[in-house]
Amino acid sequence: QVQMVASGGGVVQPGRSLRLSCTASGFTLSGYGMHWVRQAPGKGLEWVAVIWYDGNNKYYIDSVKGRFTISRDTSKNTLYLQMSSLRAEDTAVYYCARDATVGVTHDAFDIWGQGTKVTVSS
Amino acid sequence: SYVLTQPPSVSAAPGKTATITCGGNNIGNKGVHWYQQKSGQAPVLVIYYDIDRPSGIPERFSGSNSGNTATLTISRVEAGDEADYYCQVWDSHVVFGGGTKLTVL
Repeated sequence: QVQMVASGGGVVQPGRSLRLSCTASGFTLSGYGMHWVRQAPGKGLEWVAVIWYDGNNKYYIDSVKGRFTISRDTSKNTLYLQMSSLRAEDTAVYYCARDATVGVTHDAFDIWGQGTKVTVSS
Repeated sequence: SYVLTQPPSVSAAPGKTATITCGGNNIGNKGVHWYQQKSGQAPVLVIYYDIDRPSGIPERFSGSNSGNTATLTISRVEAGDEADYYCQVWDSHVVFGGGTKLTVL
């Protein structure tokens, strides 16, 4: 069964760090573009970051550049989002999502993780 | 940056047709994807590249895209279709519309 399970969320103080994980099963991460998308409480979806299918290119929305890092470990078939210098406005449910087509990054997201909740609060 | 505009809410009675629009500058030149998100759940892809349906998505869901507006149409609306719907495109990065809440009357 093709699925992704996100984990690592929690309550963290402003300025601290947190690492989110997204473990894939039923498919191999390498070859697929992988994304993080977040949703603040009561708000819409906001794309956060992408790592290209080849693992060589990474892009971020402006508000997290320099603070968040997307990466993957193909041996563990796991996607990560390292978040540092966290702010209250980073509070959201974070979803991992897969590009639908092998070798294509600018694609629809066909598989989503269940989400992991991050709360930044003192 | 590229902006996608959706109506905040749409309603339809069971058995009727719901139409959700997504406006953007020359969006007809882009591939548009649509997601359904039910309360407390992760989004689900319902239409990709304007008109295609993933396997398992009912034929009642259809899409179109031309000019400055893309449209998601849900025919013969059912109670289970009540959800938030988001359009999405690629510009310089991934862009989502603000979402539309479909209420089934």
